[in-house]
Amino acid sequence: NAGVTQTPKFQVLKTGQSMTLQCAQDMNHEYMSWYRQDPGMGLRLIHYSVGAGITDQGEVPNGYNVSRSTTEDFPLRLLSAAPSQTSVYFCASSYSGLAIHEQYFGPGTRLTVT
Amino acid sequence: ELKVEQNPLFLSMQEGKNYTIYCNYSTTSDRLYWYRQDPGKSLESLFVLLSNGAVKQEGRLMASLDTKARLSTLHITAAVHDLSATYFCAVDLLIQGAQKLVFGQGTRLTINP
Repeated sequence: NAGVTQTPKFQVLKTGQSMTLQCAQDMNHEYMSWYRQDPGMGLRLIHYSVGAGITDQGEVPNGYNVSRSTTEDFPLRLLSAAPSQTSVYFCASSYSGLAIHEQYFGPGTRLTVT
Repeated sequence: ELKVEQNPLFLSMQEGKNYTIYCNYSTTSDRLYWYRQDPGKSLESLFVLLSNGAVKQEGRLMASLDTKARLSTLHITAAVHDLSATYFCAVDLLIQGAQKLVFGQGTRLTINP
């Protein structure tokens, strides 16, 4: 199993550009989520999905869109990049339902917006 | 709103010493997780604590959960350099079957020879 994969590893954008961060998992996990990590603030939940076709907002959703057309993939779209979106982005997945399981994190995407 | 606070945020200690990292949270939850992050790397799951009084141990690390006090501790015994990393606790809010993790700020641990 590759686990949770993310592409790209690094990205530099100019203000106003758009892009998609890719996330895929091969563990047949129902639950997937996106976090951003900023210094001194831990990780904050952006969007999450409990299964294909179902997404919802997390703590800091503004400026980001998600969709979940398959169980495996959960891309994160930046609509119009802003310097405040400079961060490290992590995708995570886990089994869903009432039985709580640990989340598995991808390697991260380091994004810089100039 | 759930807040999760870790203490201390920075910790420098000598090899061989013992120390404890504290994780306090503001809303009732029975589920808490500890993660480790090395510089420039992703998060690695250390412990999953699912009930009041839960205690888990792995090598020199031991985690416990007191849901009544809304407190979890991560205890380091006889620290070694390899344990240098940033440690995060995360509290789980289960809302309509959806798991939402709220993370603490992280504790950057440096262990000196």
